Amino acid sequence: EIVMTQSPATLSVSPGERATLSCRASQSVSSNLAWYQQKPGQAPRLLIYGASTRATGIPARFSGSGSGTEFTLTISSLQSEDFAVYYCQQYNNWPLHFGGGTKVEIK
Amino acid sequence: QVTLKESGPVLVKPTETLTLTCTVSGFSLSNARMGVSWIRQPPGKALEWLAHIFSNDEKSYSTSLKSRLTISKDTSKSQVVLTMTNMDPVDTATYYCARILESWSEYYFDYWGQGTLVTVSS
Repeated sequence: EIVMTQSPATLSVSPGERATLSCRASQSVSSNLAWYQQKPGQAPRLLIYGASTRATGIPARFSGSGSGTEFTLTISSLQSEDFAVYYCQQYNNWPLHFGGGTKVEIK
Repeated sequence: QVTLKESGPVLVKPTETLTLTCTVSGFSLSNARMGVSWIRQPPGKALEWLAHIFSNDEKSYSTSLKSRLTISKDTSKSQVVLTMTNMDPVDTATYYCARILESWSEYYFDYWGQGTLVTVSS
């Protein structure tokens, strides 16, 4: 099974600053990686799939990169609505697995 | 408009069997490209994938929970059902169902239900 590890667990960022979140797979998942955003009391929302393709309606300030085992989600200029928990998910192999999440909080 | 909605008991006792239903609309479970997963999230913790039913009725389960889980679907009712046996307090979580569009092996979740909180307590 593929283990997904996200870092850091918590990221403190000021509004307007750039945030860089990491996700590492225990073995290659090619580009079969998705990112989700979850706000308190809400279901997760798909942000990125295919490691770098933004889902419908996702602002351009969200970008994904990487392949193989190392992936990055970048939020270029944090807006107030971006403070949330972010999860990565691999779908190269079954069973599917999520990472442990990165909480982006206001600095 | 695609929607998924989970339903089931709010409270179950230890050792009981949990049965959850996901009712979908805006797409058909008989569509060759639509599958549904169940995912759970204990309070304050990360997401955990549980099970998936493919459009061709094949199933896949979490390795650690496989012995306790059964997923099925009723296409005429637009429902996907998950049963989990021998419930324990550690199974207390919000349970989500989510859709996978099974095209080009792109198994990510494009639509999610709102989730239903299940508490396991005597």
